[in-house]
Amino acid sequence: NAGVMQNPRHLVRRRGQEARLRCSPVKGHSHVYWYRQLPEEGLKFMVYLQKENIIDESGMPKERFSAEFPKEGPSILRIQQVVRGDSAAYFCASSPGGIRGSDTQYFGPGTRLTVL
Amino acid sequence: DAKTTQPPSMDCAEGRAANLPCNHSTISGNEYVYWYRQIHSQGPQYIIHGLKNNETNEMASLIITEDRKSSTLILPHATLRDTAVYYCIVTRILTDSWGKLQFGAGTQVVVTP
Repeated sequence: NAGVMQNPRHLVRRRGQEARLRCSPVKGHSHVYWYRQLPEEGLKFMVYLQKENIIDESGMPKERFSAEFPKEGPSILRIQQVVRGDSAAYFCASSPGGIRGSDTQYFGPGTRLTVL
Repeated sequence: DAKTTQPPSMDCAEGRAANLPCNHSTISGNEYVYWYRQIHSQGPQYIIHGLKNNETNEMASLIITEDRKSSTLILPHATLRDTAVYYCIVTRILTDSWGKLQFGAGTQVVVTP
């Protein structure tokens, strides 16, 4: 029973390039979440998606960042025109969806983005 | 969501029980207590969660006080592989903040031989 999968695990980009991070949720999970962990800082929520819908993007930077979770395929976190400050670990989590109570999120191994 | 307070660090001897406290004095009736841990920059690992009653699984036990203002995570027999940052998170269900886990600084637990 595969857990949350993220790829690539490590990504190096030069300033101004685009970064695409992929997340395949646990089979059967319809909710996906993205978090960012800057160096020496805690995990911060970015966005919460269900299939084809953004539910909460309150943690997303206003510019250059976007996320999608299409009907088919993985969820994608896209960062356009990356800057050095985007260097961080990006974690994806998935959950089955709340059914009369708690909805536990399970995390992937993360993608480490380095911007040169 | 309610704020949580955890000690910044604690040491534990291998083979002994590790008791990790968490204060959440402003917790609301519809908020769950979740525990995660992060081992050296890996993805956070779910440990356990509860609402009112004490809970136990293969990893740990969660003891929630009757007034729900604090809880304790118990690792019954700590091993070196339990060295990690442990996060206590209170999260509201079925409201606007649904889905958003707010990680604090957590407790750095170091298990020593």
